[in-house]
Amino acid sequence: ILLTQSPGTLSLSPGERATLSCRASQSIASSYLAWYQQKPGQAPRLLIYGASSRATGIPARFSGSGSGTDFTLTISRLEPEDFAVYYCQQYGHSAFTFGPGTKVDI
Amino acid sequence: QVQLLVESGGGVVQPGRSLRLSCAASAFTFENFDMHWVRQTPGRGLEWVAVISYDETDKYYGDSVKGRFTISRDNSKKMLYLEMNSLRVEDTAVYFCARYYTFWSAFDVWGQGTLVSVAS
Repeated sequence: ILLTQSPGTLSLSPGERATLSCRASQSIASSYLAWYQQKPGQAPRLLIYGASSRATGIPARFSGSGSGTDFTLTISRLEPEDFAVYYCQQYGHSAFTFGPGTKVDI
Repeated sequence: QVQLLVESGGGVVQPGRSLRLSCAASAFTFENFDMHWVRQTPGRGLEWVAVISYDETDKYYGDSVKGRFTISRDNSKKMLYLEMNSLRVEDTAVYFCARYYTFWSAFDVWGQGTLVSVAS
């Protein structure tokens, strides 16, 4: 299953709303869709699992939604620390795939 | 206590040679979790490499490494390993070990990564 993410880059200002898209080449179970944040020089950090559940310690401004082949990560009001690259990831048929990422920059 | 994964063993290696990566786990019950290797390159982004089940009974590999890489673990030592043989230039990447939290179906703990460079 291939994942595509759009846009490739999202240029926004602090306080604005960010909407990131992840599309799968075939339908996937929502329970197997996750979102990660990665900053330069750091490992990815789990934000959302099961398409819409926030991981421990993740602020409420991060939310996930979607089903089937279309999933969305929304950051309601961007904080300075949210400027990073965001990846979606899915599991199916004993294999795991990541999307190419969306860079959110100022 | 913060769960921790620390990779080691990366370096520069010639094409066709071998390298073994290690990942030391701490502050969690290692033997209860499936463990993975994920790699990252600027060109190909994040790529899943391999998984080993908590009890070592199941192992799966990404197509690009199948037959060349072997994942293993030692639960008594809380260690995860990746034996990489017949290395290719395209295996150059930062390699992360990651814990898979089954209830969430997601990678919830990551190491800091170790860089493997395959070059002549």
